[in-house]
Amino acid sequence: DQQVKQNSPSLSVQEGRISILNCDYTNSMFDYFLWYKKYPAEGPTFLISISSIKDKNEDGRFTVFLNKSAKHLSLHIVPSQPGDSAVYFCAATSMEYGNKLVFGAGTILRVKS
Amino acid sequence: NAGVTQTPKFQVLKTGQSMTLQCAQDMNHEYMSWYRQDPGMGLRLIHYSVGAGITDQGEVPNGYNVSRSTTEDFPLRLLSAAPSQTSVYFCASRRQGTSYEQYFGPGTRLTVT
Repeated sequence: DQQVKQNSPSLSVQEGRISILNCDYTNSMFDYFLWYKKYPAEGPTFLISISSIKDKNEDGRFTVFLNKSAKHLSLHIVPSQPGDSAVYFCAATSMEYGNKLVFGAGTILRVKS
Repeated sequence: NAGVTQTPKFQVLKTGQSMTLQCAQDMNHEYMSWYRQDPGMGLRLIHYSVGAGITDQGEVPNGYNVSRSTTEDFPLRLLSAAPSQTSVYFCASRRQGTSYEQYFGPGTRLTVT
């Protein structure tokens, strides 16, 4: 049973518009969440993270929102650029979980120019 | 500073053969881990290590062995390859105790026929 779910396998967005990638989790122990970005034939690279003591974290064009009561987080990319086309993985962890990352299945984002 | 390096990039094995996937990092990170990426499954943790001489199992450890004799190296051994082990393998590392952000290598694409 997947503890971290990304229910949209793919998303297509026009350049300049907002991209919203969603992630749900089931384990209440998770208290730290990360987003990774992966290009083909490369390893994932860290994008942005959020602790459960916050409900929003911003870094340039990227913002992550956390709704603890719904066990849901989302990544907003504004404005979307063609270079953002990649696979985005959501991950969750906690000290109680041994600091191990649990990943979702990923969402393929395509930004059309 | 090369970060996390993995060799080989590609490998084809016959069922029953054994091999070792190499992983090295030059960031003096205590924590190292191995993941496999399969379509629709995200990244799943195989084994991890919190320091030299200490290893533990992750979510999918069967069929794999690891050892950690130095801080820098964390090889993954396939004892008797099976077609179910066809996957892309990623090694990652991070500093213990600071953040959960892991740095990933470029991956090894393994095919078992």
